[in-house]
Amino acid sequence: DAKTTQPTSMDCAEGRAANLPCNHSTISGNEYVYWYRQIHSQGPQYIIHGLKNNETNEMASLIITEDRKSSTLILPHATLRDTAVYYCIVKDLYNDMRFGAGTRLTVKP
Amino acid sequence: DVKVTQSSRYLVKRTGEKVFLECVQDMDHENMFWYRQDPGLGLRLIYFSYDVKMKEKGDIPEGYSVSREKKERFSLILESASTNQTSMYLCASSPNTGAGETQYFGPGTRLLVL
Repeated sequence: DAKTTQPTSMDCAEGRAANLPCNHSTISGNEYVYWYRQIHSQGPQYIIHGLKNNETNEMASLIITEDRKSSTLILPHATLRDTAVYYCIVKDLYNDMRFGAGTRLTVKP
Repeated sequence: DVKVTQSSRYLVKRTGEKVFLECVQDMDHENMFWYRQDPGLGLRLIYFSYDVKMKEKGDIPEGYSVSREKKERFSLILESASTNQTSMYLCASSPNTGAGETQYFGPGTRLLVL
C-alpha cells in the first residue's frame, strides 16, 4: 500500500528552484519524511529528512505542512546534474525504506 | 562521509551458479540491508541485519540467503541463480533502528543471469 503520492514527472529550468511535492496523508506521529534521489544506474542518494519542522541542508530544503499530510522538497538553484528520480518516503518504526515510483525531475538548459 | 561499497558494479552469471554479492560499510553502522530494484516495482527489501550474525527476512527472501560475520560486511548469496533474479541489487547501512535513522546506499550491482 502506497504511503506517499508524487507526480510522475516534472520539468525545471536550469538555475530556477525545483519544488517537488509529496502527499502523505496517512502519516503517523512518529514517522519521518525522507527524500532520496537516484541518478540513472546509481544507488539512491540521501537528500534530507524531517519530522515536523522545516529542514535545510547544503542540498535542499524540506517544507512540511503543519498537519504533516504533505511536504515539498526544494532545490533552490537546479542544475543539469539534479536530473534524477526523486523519492519521498515515510519511514516506519522498523527502519524499512519503502520506495515508490518517485518523481522524474528533468532540469532543462 | 558514509561510504558503502559493493564488490561489483556489473556481474554476468549462468543459471544454477552460486553468486556472492559483497557489501562493506566503513561507518560502524549496526544495520545493513539488501534490496533489489526492478522497473515498475521500486526497491524491495530482501534481507536485513541489525547486528553481527543476526538476520531478518524482508519482503522477498526466497532464493536468497545472507551472511554477516563482521559488522562492516553483509553478503547476499544466490544459492542457485535463476533468470528471474536478474536485477539491480542495492546494499544500504544505517546507524540504529528507529524511525529517524537514515539509510545510506551503495552504488549497486547490476546482475544478469543467463
